[in-house]
Amino acid sequence: AQSVAQPEDQVNVAEGNPLTVKCTYSVSGNPYLFWYVQYPNRGLQFLLKYITGDNLVKGSYGFEAEFNKSQTSFHLKKPSALVSDSALYFCAVRDGSDYKLSFGAGTTVTVRA
Amino acid sequence: KAGVTQTPRYLIKTRGQQVTLSCSPISGHRSVSWYQQTPGQGLQFLFEYFSETQRNKGNFPGRFSGRQFSNSRSEMNVSTLELGDSALYLCASSLWQSDTGELFFGEGSRLTVL
Repeated sequence: AQSVAQPEDQVNVAEGNPLTVKCTYSVSGNPYLFWYVQYPNRGLQFLLKYITGDNLVKGSYGFEAEFNKSQTSFHLKKPSALVSDSALYFCAVRDGSDYKLSFGAGTTVTVRA
Repeated sequence: KAGVTQTPRYLIKTRGQQVTLSCSPISGHRSVSWYQQTPGQGLQFLFEYFSETQRNKGNFPGRFSGRQFSNSRSEMNVSTLELGDSALYLCASSLWQSDTGELFFGEGSRLTVL
């Protein structure tokens, strides 16, 4: 069975500071990892994914994520946060043999001006 | 390229009624997945269809059902509605031609059961 944990319900940062949203995962096979963002009353928007290759993955809106196999983590990062980054962020994992994504509980990011 | 379209966006039903939600995937996408999002349970997988076949199903009662048509459009149905079925229902499409395809989500259908 596959699962994802997002240990922080909320992350608060000042605009211009680095932003990190944490995610750890558990899968039986090769992990396919994803980050999504959700704005109020909207669907989920894809940010980035890790399938294979470089451990540092770059995505949309200046976000990147670092895959760490030994720590089974896939943390989302942004060097300089913007107020417009305030949203709900979801980490998700797909076991290569399964046809579904398992999502974490989500982390609410608030960036203050 | 048009995104995933879900209808209706908002609806209100009463307990015991049934509801049908519709999803049109991105053109060329043959896989459609459905998720239920609630504040308490988060995002939970309902089912996934590919070429009119259900390939995977989540842990929901039989009141929740779905289907996919030959044009890849999908519908999900919830019968005998309960208060706890109030949620945002999200549809997502994907190529799923390889293991690496990400999901593209619609805006969702927000169901309120009174």
